[in-house]
Amino acid sequence: EAGVAQSPRYKIIEKRQSVAFWCNPISGHATLYWYQQILGQGPKLLIQFQNNGVVDDSQLPKDRFSAERLKGVDSTLKIQPAKLEDSAVYLCASVNGTGLLYEKLFFGSGTQLSVL
Amino acid sequence: DQQVKQNSPSLSVQEGRISILNCDYTNSMFDYFLWYKKYPAEGPTFLISISSIKDKNEDGRFTVFLNKSAKHLSLHIVPSQPGDSAVYFCAARSPFGLTFGKGTHLIIQP
Repeated sequence: EAGVAQSPRYKIIEKRQSVAFWCNPISGHATLYWYQQILGQGPKLLIQFQNNGVVDDSQLPKDRFSAERLKGVDSTLKIQPAKLEDSAVYLCASVNGTGLLYEKLFFGSGTQLSVL
Repeated sequence: DQQVKQNSPSLSVQEGRISILNCDYTNSMFDYFLWYKKYPAEGPTFLISISSIKDKNEDGRFTVFLNKSAKHLSLHIVPSQPGDSAVYFCAARSPFGLTFGKGTHLIIQP
């Protein structure tokens, strides 16, 4: 079974530029999450999708961050414009069903973003 | 305000000995606790979990203990193996989702 795919693996941009991350979840997984992990911190939830609908985006800085999951499969996360404090690893995770137990959460390897 | 705290950024243990990783929480709404393991350049992977109605859960070499009155949980790894060297995250579930601690870097020395 293929895992959660993310790209790019690394990205370096200057502040005020825009950047986009892509995630392909495990086939058939209805629920998809984007997490932000700043160095030395634990992952923090940004947004949760159930199929192509947003379940929770309360912690997404909506003035600069946006995410979509068209057709309920792949998802993209965009930052525009980026700030220095956005430097982090962006993790995508997926789970079959509602994922309430969080045990069956499968994480991708993440995209490491450096904002200079 | 950190609701899930892992106060030891790193822990070094000899191979074959017991590793004990600790986690404290402050939110009484947490009803389920999980441990994730993370290798460099990989995403976290689920290790073991425990419901708030239990005080112990065991899976092979891994045991998680929960002390609700103290709002404390711990992960025991016995015996520790070189492949256990990784960052371990404690996470807690509430109606608002999953809250992670900052992680503890476990180093198993030969």
